[in-house]
Amino acid sequence: KQEVTQIPAALSVPEGENLVLNCSFTDSAIYNLQWFRQDPGKGLTSLLLIQSSQREQTSGRLNASLDKSSGRSTLYIAASQPGDSATYLCAVREGSNYQLIWGAGTKLIIKP
Amino acid sequence: DTGVSQNPRHKITKRGQNVTFRCDPISEHNRLYWYRQTLGQGPEFLTYFQNEAQLEKSRLLSDRFSAERPKGSFSTLEIQRTEQGDSAMYLCASSLEWVPSGNTIYFGEGSWLTVV
Repeated sequence: KQEVTQIPAALSVPEGENLVLNCSFTDSAIYNLQWFRQDPGKGLTSLLLIQSSQREQTSGRLNASLDKSSGRSTLYIAASQPGDSATYLCAVREGSNYQLIWGAGTKLIIKP
Repeated sequence: DTGVSQNPRHKITKRGQNVTFRCDPISEHNRLYWYRQTLGQGPEFLTYFQNEAQLEKSRLLSDRFSAERPKGSFSTLEIQRTEQGDSAMYLCASSLEWVPSGNTIYFGEGSWLTVV
């Protein structure tokens, strides 16, 4: 059974720092991995989608990597800003399953 | 393209009452999903539709829960005889795909349910 883990559960860094959020999964047979952002009390905003055949995807200050063999993905945020404060969740999609399997998220606080 | 729309955004109900949530997916998206999320947790899959057909239901979806997508466009999620444990945010999502693929799944803002 696929399990997705995000460590740490919470992270607080000063504005301007580069940071890395981690996501690990137990079964490497995935279709893709998606990173989402969630603001308090709000829905989910898709940030980046990495196909199983890809190693990384970039959007603005965000870069997501995928290493299927080790069951890991990272979300790199460059030059962090207070507006980046949110909970970041990763979710994997398995080959025979239409569901997304989710991590519990990392709550990120960027201090001005 | 106005995104995935959910309403009501917030619902407070007394235990034992029925509630219904509506989801309007992105137009032309053939796949629609319902998830449930509690504080500090990732979303949990409930069910999904491909067009009007409900293709999969989670074991989390008890007999008190029913979802429909009658014309393959909007969907409703009804909870009968609500219990306090049903308090959560109910998320709807949609995507355009016919087989599992790399297409992005788009989420709505969610509907908060509080059962008192």
